[in-house]
Amino acid sequence: GQQVQQSPASLVLQEGENAELQCNFSSTATRLQWFYQRPGGSLVSLLSNPSGTKHTGRLTSTTVTKERRGSLHISSSQITDSGTYLCAMVYQGGSAKLIFGEGTKLTVSS
Amino acid sequence: EAAVTQSPRNKVAVTGGKVTLSCNQTNNHNNMYWYRQDTGHGLRLIHYSYGAGSTEKGDIPDGYKASRPSQENFSLILELATPSQTSVYFCASGEPRGSDSDYTFGSGTRLLVI
Repeated sequence: GQQVQQSPASLVLQEGENAELQCNFSSTATRLQWFYQRPGGSLVSLLSNPSGTKHTGRLTSTTVTKERRGSLHISSSQITDSGTYLCAMVYQGGSAKLIFGEGTKLTVSS
Repeated sequence: EAAVTQSPRNKVAVTGGKVTLSCNQTNNHNNMYWYRQDTGHGLRLIHYSYGAGSTEKGDIPDGYKASRPSQENFSLILELATPSQTSVYFCASGEPRGSDSDYTFGSGTRLLVI
């Protein structure tokens, strides 16, 4: 079955609102990695989190490894935050390959 | 600045033809990956490599080969291209680094097989 599941599939916010993105993963992950992708663009790494809570700017990543779930919180959303947020589990093993969810498409309007 | 560079950016190929997608990284990462991205499927792993001379099958390797002749270069080869291989292909390099990890993706190659 699918190893990484993200929810919601899409999210529409008004500028200034907060966003909460969810990610569930299988037991073979060593950490979660969050990426951002603009339409037609490449992937930009946002946060890497094996467990607990990590912050960078307006982003907060929380990973609860025992429960195989994680989240990405975006505070005070801006129009430029619009795009797709991808959660990936880093596979346990030497290759450290990434297994991706299908993403959450975020639209922020004024 | 460390980077992953893919070429070509766009490619139109005929069915049955051979296509080679190239990738170069300056991150000095051991691990490199090839993914394809399709609507409804997200990013799926085709092949990956632990280092020069190694290639491993990912989740969808059928119809693809890979080559890692050096630390910096990782190619994806479609020997007999089919329309079902029309997609956007991303190359990446990466390594976990303690409590952090470092992954860099290229800009992607848009492949159309007609």
